[in-house]
Amino acid sequence: DQQVKQNSPSLSVQEGRISILNCDYTNSMFDYFLWYKKYPAEGPTFLISISSIKDKNEDGRFTVFLNKSAKHLSLHIVPSQPGDSAVYFCAADAGNMLTFGGGTRLMVKP
Amino acid sequence: DAGVIQSPRHEVTEMGQEVTLRCKPISGHDYLFWYRQTMMRGLELLIYFNNNVPIDDSGMPEDRFSAKMPNASFSTLKIQPSEPRDSAVYFCASSLGGTGYSYEQYFGPGTRLTVT
Repeated sequence: DQQVKQNSPSLSVQEGRISILNCDYTNSMFDYFLWYKKYPAEGPTFLISISSIKDKNEDGRFTVFLNKSAKHLSLHIVPSQPGDSAVYFCAADAGNMLTFGGGTRLMVKP
Repeated sequence: DAGVIQSPRHEVTEMGQEVTLRCKPISGHDYLFWYRQTMMRGLELLIYFNNNVPIDDSGMPEDRFSAKMPNASFSTLKIQPSEPRDSAVYFCASSLGGTGYSYEQYFGPGTRLTVT
């Protein structure tokens, strides 16, 4: 029973264009959402987060959107850069415990 | 700060052997988490500690798995006896924590375990 799903295992984008990574969840108790980025042979690193009381949070090239009614969040990266190539995990929190999605591998082509 | 430190980075062992994974969290962090990443199940939480006390171990797959945190700067995850299906990357993470939100969790580089 996957409570957090990332339905696209991979995404390929041209450098300079927008990357949109999607995440769906089923548990309405989740009240905080995070995105992590993971390079090979490294642990995930925190990227950006959003509280359920907001619908948008922006940090530089990264913006996370939350649609609570649809139980959907997305991460927008614009402009995409080759260094953004990594696996991106979305995670949801219901109180000190994170539930992770399966990850989406983003490839940004020069 | 050196971040979360895990050892060993790679472990290859034979089925039936005992395996011990080690973690040193970031100093001052109250919460410590053990995760396992596999192709089939992705990144799943095994157990987490708050102030050295295990809070939720519902993710621990079997009695063969055990975790301890004897002090604020050290935790172990032990598998005894190990099986080939335990092969995965095991991550340790720590956070400041608090009530309500997980806050940002800082992950170690992981231990890649291979059980033959």
